[in-house]
Amino acid sequence: QSALTQPPSASGSPGQSVTISCTGTSSDIGGYNYVSWYQQHPGKAPKLMIYDVSKRPSGVPDRFSGSKSGNTASLTVSGLRAEDDADYYCSSYAGSNNFVFGTGTKVAVL
Amino acid sequence: QAQLVQSGGEVKKPGASVKVSCKASGYIFTSYGIIWVRQAHGQGLEWVGWISAHNGDTNYAQKFQGRVTMTTDTSTTTAYMELRSLRSDDTAVYYCTRGQLPVANWFDPWGQGTLVTVSS
Repeated sequence: QSALTQPPSASGSPGQSVTISCTGTSSDIGGYNYVSWYQQHPGKAPKLMIYDVSKRPSGVPDRFSGSKSGNTASLTVSGLRAEDDADYYCSSYAGSNNFVFGTGTKVAVL
Repeated sequence: QAQLVQSGGEVKKPGASVKVSCKASGYIFTSYGIIWVRQAHGQGLEWVGWISAHNGDTNYAQKFQGRVTMTTDTSTTTAYMELRSLRSDDTAVYYCTRGQLPVANWFDPWGQGTLVTVSS
């Protein structure tokens, strides 16, 4: 199972929006609506931000939104804030209790 | 609230084994699964495997099959991951996280991570 493909980096100024893509195949992203996104600050454990493509857990700001088209999922962070400066990883179910993560994207808030 | 607390860091020699524990609290342990993920320094997240705390079913990533064993102890609500025949490239932080059953469509919360260092 190959890792999902994400851009290495993305950036934006405070208040702007940034969108991160996550590309897989028909065996993972394209085959299931089980895409999730995780935020990770340096030295910390990942934190769930989006699940089931576009659902937000309680406590996650509505500035974070997710979508999917075909084999590609996307995470959009609107109204960027300094605390959004972090690494972001996508993940997808790949059938039979197999899972795959994305390569990770470092978001810089300029 | 749900919480996962992992065992402390380990230093092992190549060829040895390591067993990491993950103590769950704040939720019904047997209603969820436990997923293990690792992260080498400066690298991305890598899925290691999954175990159902309901019935003990497991599924391991192909690259770890034959070297990893995941178990749970429902009496102590603790999950374990044992990795054998350690190599230097197994040096990483290992995380446990909770997932729904029958399909872990999300991973939350995460343990604090356990650094496993493999060095001669």
